[in-house]
Amino acid sequence: AQSVTQPDIHITVSEGASLELRCNYSYGATPYLFWYVQSPGQGLQLLLKYFSGDTLVQGIKGFEAEFKRSQSSFNLRKPSVHWSDAAEYFCAVGVYSGGSNYKLTFGKGTLLTVNP
Amino acid sequence: DTEVTQTPKHLVMGMTNKKSLKCEQHMGHRAMYWYKQKAKKPPELMFVYSYEKLSINESVPSRFSPECPNSSLLNLHLHALQPEDSALYLCASSPRLAGGVYNEQFFGPGTRLTVL
Repeated sequence: AQSVTQPDIHITVSEGASLELRCNYSYGATPYLFWYVQSPGQGLQLLLKYFSGDTLVQGIKGFEAEFKRSQSSFNLRKPSVHWSDAAEYFCAVGVYSGGSNYKLTFGKGTLLTVNP
Repeated sequence: DTEVTQTPKHLVMGMTNKKSLKCEQHMGHRAMYWYKQKAKKPPELMFVYSYEKLSINESVPSRFSPECPNSSLLNLHLHALQPEDSALYLCASSPRLAGGVYNEQFFGPGTRLTVL
């Protein structure tokens, strides 16, 4: 069965510092991979996605992620963090489970705190 | 219209009440989803509708009853809930791409449900 691991429950960075959030997945085929961000009490917003092709994908808000098949990883990066980036970040893998049934499996999330 | 809307934003109900959550999207997406999210946890899939037919039920108790009256609307009917059902309920939709595949999901802002 597919699974997603986000090893860091909570990360604190200073505003202006670089950021990397880790994500490892387990899935037999080439996965659909996503990063979502959630502010407190809000829904999830898609930051970026990977399906195929270029392994470095660009997203919204200055985020990027790199797919590394050999490491089963899809880490999220940002060169300079802003205070407004403080939120919960979820990595997810999209899989088919029989026929056209499609669903996302989420990691447990990483809470990002940004210090001024 | 490029968003998923959910009503109400907040709902407080007693254990003997019957209430409904509503989700709407006008993006022409043919897959719609209900998720339950407890505090500091990732979303947990409850139901998936594909072309207005229930395709996945993740062993959800019968006190939750989904309904998809048309391609734009998804309801979740609630009856005899328990306090542990208090959570953020998220709706999402997904476009079907060429080749019949789904990929990213677009989330609504959620309904914060409190069961007394």
